[in-house]
Parts: sequence; C-alpha cells; structure tokens
Amino acid sequence: GEDVEQSLFLSVREGDSSVINCTYTDSSSTYLYWYKQEPGAGLQLLTYIFSNMDMKQDQRLTVLLNKKDKHLSLRIADTQTGDSAIYFCAEIFSGGYNKLIFGAGTRLAVHP
Amino acid sequence: KAGVTQTPRYLIKTRGQQVTLSCSPISGHRSVSWYQQTPGQGLQFLFEYFSETQRNKGNFPGRFSGRQFSNSRSEMNVSTLELGDSALYLCASSFSAGGGSYEQYFGPGTRLTVT
Repeated sequence: GEDVEQSLFLSVREGDSSVINCTYTDSSSTYLYWYKQEPGAGLQLLTYIFSNMDMKQDQRLTVLLNKKDKHLSLRIADTQTGDSAIYFCAEIFSGGYNKLIFGAGTRLAVHP
Repeated sequence: KAGVTQTPRYLIKTRGQQVTLSCSPISGHRSVSWYQQTPGQGLQFLFEYFSETQRNKGNFPGRFSGRQFSNSRSEMNVSTLELGDSALYLCASSFSAGGGSYEQYFGPGTRLTVT
C-alpha cells in the first residue's frame, strides 16, 4: 500500500539538533526524500537517499534509513530560526515512475 | 539554470468555471508531474507526463486533465470547478529517462481559490 507517516509537530531550541521521523510502507521504494516548505512557497528538495544506503550526510543534514523497519529520519544540526518550516518525507511509488507519496508534513518551530 | 516556473501564481474562479494552469520545467527536463496540496488531504499526485505522454494518473475525477507539449511545458485543466478544488497546485520537474528519477524539483505553485 501507499502510506507515509510523520509526526505533525516538533519544537526545538535554536542551536540544538532537530530530528524529524518518518515511516513508509512501500518496501520497493527506490528513493526517499526530504522536502522543506516555507509559508506561501513551493517545495524545496533538501536531500534524498537511495534505498540501499543507510546514511547520507549533507552539511548540517543527516539522513538515516532503517530499511528493515521502513523508518527514515532527518537530523538538522545546529538548528536555526531559518529552519522553521514544514518538512515532508516522501517516497517514490515503485509502480509509478515519478509518483511521489508524501507524508502529512512535520511543522518545525525553532525558538530562542 | 532557471527553476520550475508556474503561471499564474494566484487565481480566483467561480464554481462551474474552468481553469488552465501552466508549468515550465527546468531546461532539459522531460518529466512533469502535478500535485494538489490542501490542508485536509495534504499533497496528492495528480498525473505525470513524459515526452508528451501521460505515464501515470492519480485518483482524481475526469474534470482534472493535463497535457505536455513538445518543449516539455505542461498545462493542467480543471473543468466545472467546485469549492473543494481550492488548493495549491504544484508542478514538479525531473530528468527521467525511464523509471523513477532521483531529483524532482518543484515550482512555487499556483494558488487557486474557487468561490
């Protein structure tokens, strides 16, 4: 089936690390993505990971993939107020070319 | 490289009317996908076009249709608008030679309000 689940809200203090979690159901997914959406804007591709990888690091972002548990996480180091946004986890639907299945999004609030 | 562009950015229509939205992908990208974003349903896949052919379609009524031109630009059309069609419509562009593509870039969206 097609389903991606995320917690809806996360609040962190500026300078701390943020960890946003996601679970997915399609074990045949090839790529898993993290997108960021700021108010009134489209989706910004942050990073993605291929399903045969366990981890990917890109500057302040670290993606961890546990394929056995179908669990994906995004860690943002040294979180800044500019990181406040909604973060979407998405998987490529294995039977559907470029069809992305999105989670509901996690709203990250960064406070001083 | 210029990003994905969508026009218009904002649109207000009346129930029963029809609307056409446009998307220009990143230069060299041949795949264009459309998504609807609403507070209640989140982000839902509408359809995907590659080389002027629809490759995949989501679970939307036939009032929602699209097409792609030889220059990869795409349009989507919604006929007989309903209040529930009010949403942010997002277009995504990717370079796809066959199966799933690993980088999909979104445009800023068209905000459609139906009154």
